[in-house]
Amino acid sequence: GENVEQHPSTLSVQEGDSAVIKCTYSDSASNYFPWYKQELGKGPQLIIDIRSNVGEKKDQRIAVTLNKTAKHFSLHITETQPEDSAVYFCAAWGGTGTASKLTFGTGTRLQVTL
Amino acid sequence: DVKVTQSSRYLVKRTGEKVFLECVQDMDHENMFWYRQDPGLGLRLIYFSYDVKMKEKGDIPEGYSVSREKKERFSLILESASTNQTSMYLCASRKGSPYEQYFGPGTRLTVT
Repeated sequence: GENVEQHPSTLSVQEGDSAVIKCTYSDSASNYFPWYKQELGKGPQLIIDIRSNVGEKKDQRIAVTLNKTAKHFSLHITETQPEDSAVYFCAAWGGTGTASKLTFGTGTRLQVTL
Repeated sequence: DVKVTQSSRYLVKRTGEKVFLECVQDMDHENMFWYRQDPGLGLRLIYFSYDVKMKEKGDIPEGYSVSREKKERFSLILESASTNQTSMYLCASRKGSPYEQYFGPGTRLTVT
């Protein structure tokens, strides 16, 4: 089955700096890669996603890049703000038919300090 | 807005008890999921359902069962709770695949 590795597990940046979180996946057939943000006391919420036919996608201060050859994708947050502090999860969609599902990384706790 | 609700935010149960966690979604989604979240392990899929009365095992189904009698409701059952089932349980729903999964707020279950 699919295996998703995520690094780093914790990340501390100063407000205004950039943050990068990286994930690798194992199933070359995976074709959808979402990123979720989980704030304290809440369930994860989708913040951006990318499909395998696209190399990069941007939405204001966040962007995701995908390298299918190397089987890795990354989340980039620019001009970080205190409200960006949260746990971030990457995921990969793989498998076929009823066995297809999202496999999540282990999460990155991002702390944005003033 | 899609809303996924879970029956309890916090739950404390004793070892050996039968535990029911309920999840309801209001957007007519076909697919529903149960995950457990543990520090350092991320979100691990317990069971999922593609339709009413359908269920599929996820990555860690042992010790759990599920029920989906109505499209909007998906229940997770711990037949005999054990301390190693102390965790955060997250329910999610999705229209089809691969589309955005919407998560509930989670139930923090403690088994003593």
